[in-house]
Amino acid sequence: AQSVTQPDIHITVSEGASLELRCNYSYGATPYLFWYVQSPGQGLQLLLKYFSGDTLVQGIKGFEAEFKRSQSSFNLRKPSVHWSDAAEYFCAVRRGSTLGRLYFGRGTQLTVWP
Amino acid sequence: DVKVTQSSRYLVKRTGEKVFLECVQDMDHENMFWYRQDPGLGLRLIYFSYDVKMKEKGDIPEGYSVSREKKERFSLILESASTNQTSMYLCASTAQGGRLNYGYTFGSGTRLTVV
Repeated sequence: AQSVTQPDIHITVSEGASLELRCNYSYGATPYLFWYVQSPGQGLQLLLKYFSGDTLVQGIKGFEAEFKRSQSSFNLRKPSVHWSDAAEYFCAVRRGSTLGRLYFGRGTQLTVWP
Repeated sequence: DVKVTQSSRYLVKRTGEKVFLECVQDMDHENMFWYRQDPGLGLRLIYFSYDVKMKEKGDIPEGYSVSREKKERFSLILESASTNQTSMYLCASTAQGGRLNYGYTFGSGTRLTVV
């Protein structure tokens, strides 16, 4: 069963515009949630994570994400996109005691127009 | 400041060859993982290991094996490479216990082409 869904395969925004990347997960208990970014030809870099507490979490590069239990969502946002944000973004979930295994969504490719 | 190192960025191998992909981490992590990444399919787990000499199959282990003789090194082996194994291979590691919450640290990936 798919644990993480990223409904948008590809998103295009203009530089300076706001951004929201969607992520939905399927897991009964409170999950551990992550967002990663991958620049072309590179490995993945952690942007931010959520475990508990405040449902709005701040990450690196000006990104934030909000955990909404009622919607099983963990959407990534940025108020003003820069051209350097063009990359692929992956949402991931860790379910309870799974020895640290992460389940990844299929990714959202972000294109930024100048 | 590199913490997870994959020995090759690019590899080209012939069909039928035995291929070794090496991954080394210097963070004393217990867990190590091998994923393959294909366009539109995201990251799919091949194998993982939570201790020396221990291994667990992931979602797509067929055609692969792994070796973990030392804590810091996790090798992925393609016993007889085939063209459908052309892909980007990503290694990752993470600690156990409370440090699990730090998430994965990834290597830069190995792009393997099988011709």
